[in-house]
Amino acid sequence: DGGITQSPKYLFRKEGQNVTLSCEQNLNHDAMYWYRQDPGQGLRLIYYSQIVNDFQKGDIAEGYSVSREKKESFPLTVTSAQKNPTAFYLCASSPPGQGVNTEAFFGQGTRLTVV
Amino acid sequence: QQQVKQSPQSLIVQKGGISIINCAYENTAFDYFPWYQQFPGKGPALLIAIRPDVSEKKEGRFTISFNKSAKQFSLHIMDSQPGDSATYFCAARHSGAGSYQLTFGKGTKLSVIP
Repeated sequence: DGGITQSPKYLFRKEGQNVTLSCEQNLNHDAMYWYRQDPGQGLRLIYYSQIVNDFQKGDIAEGYSVSREKKESFPLTVTSAQKNPTAFYLCASSPPGQGVNTEAFFGQGTRLTVV
Repeated sequence: QQQVKQSPQSLIVQKGGISIINCAYENTAFDYFPWYQQFPGKGPALLIAIRPDVSEKKEGRFTISFNKSAKQFSLHIMDSQPGDSATYFCAARHSGAGSYQLTFGKGTKLSVIP
């Protein structure tokens, strides 16, 4: 089955630790994204990548880092600099082009909790 | 600055009724307006989408109405069912070169009661 796989589903982090969230897609999509979801806040863009070895900051990139070494993979690292990391993190991908069918497909999310 | 404003924040509708969720935007560079449905603990899934050159799009019980001059669009769910209970997000995509990211509204939690 084609899709986006995020792991782990639940993640607990101690204060001061860096953690990495995994996102893999087998849809052959060029573009990948990371969103953060907080209650009542909708989805906010952290980072996005339109092509391998290139990525751009979104609206709330501070305290996060990403890499895009392979087309299929776009891991997100939540660093100790992120002061309020507890949230639901969503990875998405989309095919190339600007046509009407260039929708974003989402993974099932990773819930990160700081303990 | 919130670029897509969504209302209401929550909505309770009786089974069989019509659910209406509204969104408004300011940026005229948006060129694609999808709606996503999200169940608790799951990722959002595309429900229906519209381009600004179309005033209405219907898929089953779901209809998007689009008013380009007013920069508003809305989702109508006809014959609402308990299984429609979820959080709904409107979104807009910027048409800038090489830009694919979506700007989301804050979401509407819909509860359909029997």
